Amino acid sequence: QSVLTQPPSVSAAPGQTVTISCSGGSSNIGSNFVSWYQQIPGTAPKLLIHDNNKRPSGIPDRFSGSKSGTSATLAITGLQTADDADYYCGTWDTTLNIGLFGGGTKLTVL
Amino acid sequence: QIQLQGSGPGLVKPSETLSLTCSVSNTSITSYYWTWIRQSPGKGLEWIGYIYHNGNTNYNPSLKSRVSMSVDTSRSQFSLRLTSVSAADTAIYFCVTGKLRYFDSLPSRYFGPWGQGIRVTVSS
Repeated sequence: QSVLTQPPSVSAAPGQTVTISCSGGSSNIGSNFVSWYQQIPGTAPKLLIHDNNKRPSGIPDRFSGSKSGTSATLAITGLQTADDADYYCGTWDTTLNIGLFGGGTKLTVL
Repeated sequence: QIQLQGSGPGLVKPSETLSLTCSVSNTSITSYYWTWIRQSPGKGLEWIGYIYHNGNTNYNPSLKSRVSMSVDTSRSQFSLRLTSVSAADTAIYFCVTGKLRYFDSLPSRYFGPWGQGIRVTVSS
């Protein structure tokens, strides 16, 4: 069981907006920046968001991140079938001094 | 852009040692924290640890007694060793670029790019 809690699955139709939550605690999300990763089945995860809300070059602005307190959210607007993937949140835990990931959320674009 | 290519055996016997190597290209190996992350079948991501170019390491306490990492700056490679493996160590092992930045003196750590992943099965 992951320290960071994500919903196991979400679904939405093409063109719609979906949000994925990531809940943690004061020693991880509450005091560290959050990143998000997309993993298409059979491939390596790809960095989507870092520093809570920054997109690496090449990531469309349909993907956005936010953080409040001990929770973070990934929002995806204008859903496309290509967005069908697993999404993981990540952060650092200051007490444990380790990297942490959420359990992952499977996004199904219907 | 940065590219990572992992290599190593896909099958390891129980109680033996798992050894993997990652080759780094298109960047200096002195620039980042070189990280190993694994993903057990059908499960999420587990941070194993990182090594810096000067040999400084940080390991996940859950694996600390069995894990070691090394770096060869002349070859732009870093490596993972995991001893006394069991079926629980069956996973895809990713070598990953670990980044550290500071905002208002606060550290931000995140991971990317990732290598392609090495599928390792522990079985006799």
